[in-house]
Amino acid sequence: GESVGLHLPTLSVQEGDNSIINCAYSNSASDYFIWYKQESGKGPQFIIDIRSNMDKRQGQRVTVLLNKTVKHLSLQIAATQPGDSAVYFCAGSYGTGNQFYFGTGTSLTVIP
Amino acid sequence: GAVVSQHPSRVICKSGTSVKIECRSLDFQATTMFWYRQFPKQSLMLMATSNEGSKATYEQGVEKDKFLINHASLTLSTLTVTSAHPEDSSFYICSAKTWDRGNTEAFFGQGTRLTVV
Repeated sequence: GESVGLHLPTLSVQEGDNSIINCAYSNSASDYFIWYKQESGKGPQFIIDIRSNMDKRQGQRVTVLLNKTVKHLSLQIAATQPGDSAVYFCAGSYGTGNQFYFGTGTSLTVIP
Repeated sequence: GAVVSQHPSRVICKSGTSVKIECRSLDFQATTMFWYRQFPKQSLMLMATSNEGSKATYEQGVEKDKFLINHASLTLSTLTVTSAHPEDSSFYICSAKTWDRGNTEAFFGQGTRLTVV
């Protein structure tokens, strides 16, 4: 299966600063990635996705960058807010099975 | 986004009993559903993939006789934890998607906290 891992398990940022969460993957066949946000005791919430034919995608306050050469993607959150505090997972998918394999997760804490 | 509902959200059962968790897609037909397990402060681990009308495909190391999955309709999949033991206590999460939406996101339920005592 896929192996998707994160560089840092925890990240603390000041409110208003930008956050960058990183993720590495091992399967070069992965062609679709999603960033999810998970709050305590809840299921994952979709944040943003990116396909392998793109290297950047922007949403509201979030940007995902994909570097297929080094098999790395990142999630950038602009002007981080206390409500952004959660665990963030990247998930990768490939082939027709479309299963998503999740990375370790990064716990983001926003300091007011 | 589409809505996936899980029930129950929490369940406590005695060791040796079986527990059934339901996963429903409320506003779309889910040709494929996935079941994940999550331990505290850990990531989601894919347990199995179920396609409507066919047998589930289990990930390596997941006991299919222990975790029975049924996907009898396009809106409902169930996970039954049989003869539950305390080590089965975990957060179980389902997700669903449909081929009509192409290779797109999977929508997740809110999870079920299982505690086996």
